[in-house]
Amino acid sequence: AQRVTQPEKLLSVFKGAPVELKCNYSYSGSPELFWYVQYSRQRLQLLLRHISRESIKGFTADLNKGETSFHLKKPFAQEEDSAMYYCALSLNSGYSTLTFGKGTMLLVSP
Amino acid sequence: DAGVTQSPTHLIKTRGQQVTLRCSPKSGHDTVSWYQQALGQGPQFIFQYYEEEERQRGNFPDRFSGHQFPNYSSELNVNALLLGDSALYLCASSLGQSSNQPQHFGDGTRLSIL
Repeated sequence: AQRVTQPEKLLSVFKGAPVELKCNYSYSGSPELFWYVQYSRQRLQLLLRHISRESIKGFTADLNKGETSFHLKKPFAQEEDSAMYYCALSLNSGYSTLTFGKGTMLLVSP
Repeated sequence: DAGVTQSPTHLIKTRGQQVTLRCSPKSGHDTVSWYQQALGQGPQFIFQYYEEEERQRGNFPDRFSGHQFPNYSSELNVNALLLGDSALYLCASSLGQSSNQPQHFGDGTRLSIL
């Protein structure tokens, strides 16, 4: 069965520091990977997905199939980046169901 | 567009009771998925409905059942409630079942079992 691991429950950085939220997955096939974010008092929303290969709010994520990782990175953290971040995968089988990690809380201090 | 809407917001039940949660998908979406999010955990997939049929199911017992109506709205039913069913229940909608279609989430229903 597929699994998503986010090893850090909490990541605390100062404003302007680089950020890397780690995500590893286990799946024998070729999944699609996503990062979802939940800001305080807001609903869970899609941040980015690997097939788009885009940068959203300064965040990027590269799928490394060799290391089965999909780490989320931002060179300079902002206070408004403070939120809960979930890595998720969808099996490339035609169905959009998601398997989520446990999430990492990012706190950016001034 | 209000996006995905769920009702009720909060619900308190006792063990052994039954509960029904409701979800209206984002306008234009036809696929509804339900997730259970326990405290401190990521959302866990329960099942997905498309064209009024359950298409995919996660590792949940038969006590969890659902329905999708012709207007694409959906219900999640849980029978014989257990303390462990206390969680946030999230509904997500998408256009079609394709894995490259992003899912849009509602605010969830917080279910507490006493």
